[in-house]
Amino acid sequence: DGGITQSPKYLFRKEGQNVTLSCEQNLNHDAMYWYRQDPGQGLRLIYYSQIVNDFQKGDIAEGYSVSREKKESFPLTVTSAQKNPTAFYLCASSMLGSWLSEQYFGPGTRLTVT
Amino acid sequence: GQQLNQSPQSMFIQEGEDVSMNCTSSSIFNTWLWYKQDPGEGPVLLIALYKAGELTSNGRLTAQFGITRKDSFLNISASIPSDVGIYFCAGGTEETSGSRLTFGEGTQLTVNP
Repeated sequence: DGGITQSPKYLFRKEGQNVTLSCEQNLNHDAMYWYRQDPGQGLRLIYYSQIVNDFQKGDIAEGYSVSREKKESFPLTVTSAQKNPTAFYLCASSMLGSWLSEQYFGPGTRLTVT
Repeated sequence: GQQLNQSPQSMFIQEGEDVSMNCTSSSIFNTWLWYKQDPGEGPVLLIALYKAGELTSNGRLTAQFGITRKDSFLNISASIPSDVGIYFCAGGTEETSGSRLTFGEGTQLTVNP
């Protein structure tokens, strides 16, 4: 089955530690995205990538880093510089093209930092 | 940046009732998408709209792309308990299509059996 996988589902870290969230897709999509969701709020874009070895900052990139070494993979690192990292993180992917805006989401990773 | 105003924020209805929610923006979008999110899960795409004035159905769901390209609505007919969840609208522009979407803050739907 084609889809997007995120692991782990739940992640716990101590304050001051970096943590990397995994995102893999087998949809052959060119573009991949990371969003952050806080309770009662919409999705805010952290980073996105349209092609391997290239990525752009979204609206809330501070304290996060990404890499895109393979088309299928787009890991997100939450660094110790992120002041409020506890949140639900969603990865998405899409094809590229003027009329192909449809983004498909993974199941999410809930990160708790104490 | 661009913003979407989604309303209502929450709805409490009885099973069998029809539901309507909408999104408005001060900016023009070339694409409107509607997603549903169950608790603790990722959003699932329900309907995608690509033409101003377009009316599209998916089972009991109907969505329209506003003629001004600044708004969209989603209707759910004859609601059932599994319709419970958060519904998000998202708008895409030609410059950013395939790269970035702007999301509304969601409508929390509760359906009482």
